[in-house]
Amino acid sequence: GEDVEQSLFLSVREGDSSVINCTYTDSSSTYLYWYKQEPGAGLQLLTYIFSNMDMKQDQRLTVLLNKKDKHLSLRIADTQTGDSAIYFCAEKDIGNQFYFGTGTSLTVIP
Amino acid sequence: ETGVTQSPTHLIKTRGQQVTLRCSSQSGHNTVSWYQQALGQGPQFIFQYYREEENGRGNFPPRFSGLQFPNYSSELNVNALELDDSALYLCASSLGGSYITLSTDTQYFGPGTRLTVL
Repeated sequence: GEDVEQSLFLSVREGDSSVINCTYTDSSSTYLYWYKQEPGAGLQLLTYIFSNMDMKQDQRLTVLLNKKDKHLSLRIADTQTGDSAIYFCAEKDIGNQFYFGTGTSLTVIP
Repeated sequence: ETGVTQSPTHLIKTRGQQVTLRCSSQSGHNTVSWYQQALGQGPQFIFQYYREEENGRGNFPPRFSGLQFPNYSSELNVNALELDDSALYLCASSLGGSYITLSTDTQYFGPGTRLTVL
């Protein structure tokens, strides 16, 4: 299968920006996704980016994609305590299969 | 809310038993994917069904099997349960399948079924 890697933990102060990073190995990725998972809950789709785009902005969320380096990031502006959760990046390959990273646990300190 | 529902929410079984988990996809979606999420891990792809046929399978043994019904709801069956099968099982529905409109093919996840094998 494909490898999708993320750092395990990130801690930020309320009001600061958070940047969550992800690297992947599949050069045939079509779409890349960010999901949020709160304790005991399923995955909530936050945003996605098509593989031929460099950036996508959606309110407080900015996704940056460096296709050459196979690096994806999610920036959350003005991070709030409600943003504390586990964030997963995922990539969809040309065969329509999804591969998820291990997740980054974001803790927002009031 | 995504409109994807799963039942039951929690389940406790013993080793060697069989289990059936159910998923109702979002209205208009014809593709259902199943994932296993072990504690502290990301979801691992089990298999996908498109219009009642298996449309891809991850690295899971044959004792993991599935069905998709004409209304596009789905079941995941696991036989001969092992302790390591304890996990959160997620289903996700999407519009896409073998031939997809890429701009609309996004997966929406249900809340999951927490399976504990003792």
